Amino acid sequence: QKEVEQDPGPLSVPEGAIVSLNCTYSNSAFQYFMWYRQYSRKGPELLMYTYSSGNKEDGRFTAQVDKSSKYISLFIRDSQPSDSATYLCAMSGGQAGTALIFGKGTTLSVSS
Amino acid sequence: DGGITQSPKYLFRKEGQNVTLSCEQNLNHDAMYWYRQDPGQGLRLIYYSQIVNDFQKGDIAEGYSVSREKKESFPLTVTSAQKNPTAFYLCASSPPGRANTEAFFGQGTRLTVV
Repeated sequence: QKEVEQDPGPLSVPEGAIVSLNCTYSNSAFQYFMWYRQYSRKGPELLMYTYSSGNKEDGRFTAQVDKSSKYISLFIRDSQPSDSATYLCAMSGGQAGTALIFGKGTTLSVSS
Repeated sequence: DGGITQSPKYLFRKEGQNVTLSCEQNLNHDAMYWYRQDPGQGLRLIYYSQIVNDFQKGDIAEGYSVSREKKESFPLTVTSAQKNPTAFYLCASSPPGRANTEAFFGQGTRLTVV
């Protein structure tokens, strides 16, 4: 089992839909959870950053972490065509000498 | 503007040649990373450095080398020993105190072996 699993999609939705993106993980030591957005041929940009369990909201984006289930989610409300991108989850235990572990990314397409 | 600059954006290499990818940051970040991205593979860690003059191998370090002589710079050399070097290479850095959590990325270098 890979440390981080993410369904690659593709996921296609109409404009205005609510989008749910998810990752599961196996390492219970992970404490830090991130979501990145990557447009084609560009570097990933950090969208959301969450420490431990709970919810975090930023505009149309909500990140949820359920450590008991080892499951994290990103919700996008009122999705827009400009949200069309690949979304990567990433996580870390935060220990010195380690780096982020990434999921493979989910490709999202929002049609107008 | 503060940020991470990778150059060149596109790079072509003949088989058997070494090439060096540049990564410079002016964010005063201590930690820097190199990732490789292939279609359907996500991001895989090549090397990372927590401080100047120190670096560690990631999951796929074979065929690559790095140096960290300055805080601002973390160049990656793709050697002829790397059997399948065609990929999108991403450099990242992390803020002080967030070295193992957040990472901020450059715009990438697309390397193609011809």
